[in-house]
Amino acid sequence: GNSVTQMEGPVTLSEEAFLTINCTYTATGYPSLFWYVQYPGEGLQLLLKATKADDKGSNKGFEATYRKETTSFHLEKGSVQVSDSAVYFCALRDFGNEKLTFGTGTRLTIIP
Amino acid sequence: SAVISQKPSRDICQRGTSLTIQCQVDSQVTMMFWYRQQPGQSLTLIATANQGSEATYESGFVIDKFPISRPNLTFSTLTVSNMSPEDSSIYLCSTASGGQGETQYFGPGTRLLVL
Repeated sequence: GNSVTQMEGPVTLSEEAFLTINCTYTATGYPSLFWYVQYPGEGLQLLLKATKADDKGSNKGFEATYRKETTSFHLEKGSVQVSDSAVYFCALRDFGNEKLTFGTGTRLTIIP
Repeated sequence: SAVISQKPSRDICQRGTSLTIQCQVDSQVTMMFWYRQQPGQSLTLIATANQGSEATYESGFVIDKFPISRPNLTFSTLTVSNMSPEDSSIYLCSTASGGQGETQYFGPGTRLLVL
């Protein structure tokens, strides 16, 4: 079956530090990959997505590249801000199936 | 993008009672999903609700415990029946209109505490 493994949290960084949150996946077909973010007290929001190998999703300074050879979709940001503090979820959706499979989530805290 | 609202936003319930959560979408959507997010954990899919047919439940979830209605293309309800403290979670509905890479949108969630 499908599964998503992401970096265990929590992660604490100083403002302007470089961020990487690792995500690897197992899927039987050709999945689309997603990063969702959940800010404190709010619902889940789509951060970025990629639908095929070598695609790069980007939004709000965050990037992730769909790497089929390493089955990975790591989230990166060059300079984090306090406002990036949230829980980040990696997810996949297999081709022909609308169901999302989520990773366990990574709580990120940015300190000034 | 789809805008999704849920009612109630939060509730505190007594053991043994039932709660019905409503999900309203501002546009017609093919599929709606119900997820559970237990404290400190990731999201787990409970069931998929298509209009005009019975919901499809994931392993570990049954209709008697989580009955779902989908009377039209913009609305769905999830009932959490005969609640116990283990049902304390955030319940989220989500929508998709089909197609590879189609974005799924999530409601703000219903925070449920069972005493």
